[in-house]
Amino acid sequence: QKEVEQNSGPLSVPEGAIASLNCTYSDRGSQSFFWYRQYSGKSPELIMFIYSNGDKEDGRFTAQLNKASQYVSLLIRDSQPSDSATYLCAVNWGAGGTSYGKLTFGQGTILTVHP
Amino acid sequence: NAGVTQTPKFRILKIGQSMTLQCAQDMNHNYMYWYRQDPGMGLKLIYYSVGAGITDKGEVPNGYNVSRSTTEDFPLRLELAAPSQTSVYFCASSPPFQGATYEQYFGPGTRLTVT
Repeated sequence: QKEVEQNSGPLSVPEGAIASLNCTYSDRGSQSFFWYRQYSGKSPELIMFIYSNGDKEDGRFTAQLNKASQYVSLLIRDSQPSDSATYLCAVNWGAGGTSYGKLTFGQGTILTVHP
Repeated sequence: NAGVTQTPKFRILKIGQSMTLQCAQDMNHNYMYWYRQDPGMGLKLIYYSVGAGITDKGEVPNGYNVSRSTTEDFPLRLELAAPSQTSVYFCASSPPFQGATYEQYFGPGTRLTVT
């Protein structure tokens, strides 16, 4: 059974701080890793994806991937109250075009940024 | 473009009733997916389709059926509804693999309660 686990929440950080969200996965053959943000009562929206070891930055968001440790994380710098949401880690297991984009999601981490 | 649309937004079913959740996309995406999200949990894949006439089971297909007669539409059928099917259902679509990864676009969801 391929599994995706996220660090238990909820996570509360003050405005302006760095929020760190973590995710581990069970299969070394995994190819692509995604972070989705989901506001209460809304659908998930893609923040970032990463498929190579190392860091990938986009504005205030940095995704970090370590395939040897089977670990992916999301850092949010200068956290804002508008970042308060559930963050979902998702993994695409297959290689290249054979996986058909199927995703396995973690259970999510609730982030609250307080003023 | 409307993106991915889902109807209805809310529905209450009695145990044993049946219904069809509608999903349509206007982005000419080949790949489409149905997920369910139980309270406080991540999304689980029910069924997916890689093109008209081609569907396959995901992680939790029992109690559901799908069809894909056109590129645009991917309805999900619930037969003999059970309380365990109370959930929020998300439809998503994606273009085929393009050398990097897949990006899934989600619909707004259907909140279903079975009593």
